[in-house]
Amino acid sequence: KAGVTQTPRYLIKTRGQQVTLSCSPISGHRSVSWYQQTPGQGLQFLFEYFSETQRNKGNFPGRFSGRQFSNSRSEMNVSTLELGDSALYLCASRLPEGGYTFGSGTRLTVV
Amino acid sequence: QKEVEQNSGPLSVPEGAIASLNCTYSDRGSQSFFWYRQYSGKSPELIMSIYSNGDKEDGRFTAQLNKASQYVSLLIRDSQPSDSATYLCAVRTNQAGTALIFGKGTTLSVSS
Repeated sequence: KAGVTQTPRYLIKTRGQQVTLSCSPISGHRSVSWYQQTPGQGLQFLFEYFSETQRNKGNFPGRFSGRQFSNSRSEMNVSTLELGDSALYLCASRLPEGGYTFGSGTRLTVV
Repeated sequence: QKEVEQNSGPLSVPEGAIASLNCTYSDRGSQSFFWYRQYSGKSPELIMSIYSNGDKEDGRFTAQLNKASQYVSLLIRDSQPSDSATYLCAVRTNQAGTALIFGKGTTLSVSS
């Protein structure tokens, strides 16, 4: 089975712009979770989607949003980018035993 | 108190030694515990999961869980230079629902 696929791998954006990141979970998986990783805050949960519905959300401002399509692919959007949004954004599929497997991530740099 | 705490390290051990990594958590009702390994510039990789008190062994790795004391540990036997990485403890808490709460990780350095 293919793993979790994230595109693009790297992005450079200017402060104030918006950005959209894409994730395809493991084939057949209907759940997608998003996490942000920064050196200061570590790995933090953003949100989780299951069958196109958001079923859990972390403590992030409304500038961070997401959606899931009928084919389980998910997109995450960040509007009005701030320098502090520079991070590695990770998408994950939930495993049967309860853990998650992560994609390679998208490294976003805001300048 | 932070929800999941780990010593940031670095933890330095010689090749062949046992590396011991520790993690404490605050939500007493937590049920699921995971250890991830993250190499520099890479994404986290799940290496162990544990759900009940006691030890769980997988190759050179042993996870230990003590719910009464609210700690989980990871032992790496016969440490190799390739084990040098950051090890992240993750907990599924009652408060966070389906989300994993991660510690900030312990950096392990194994010298040859």
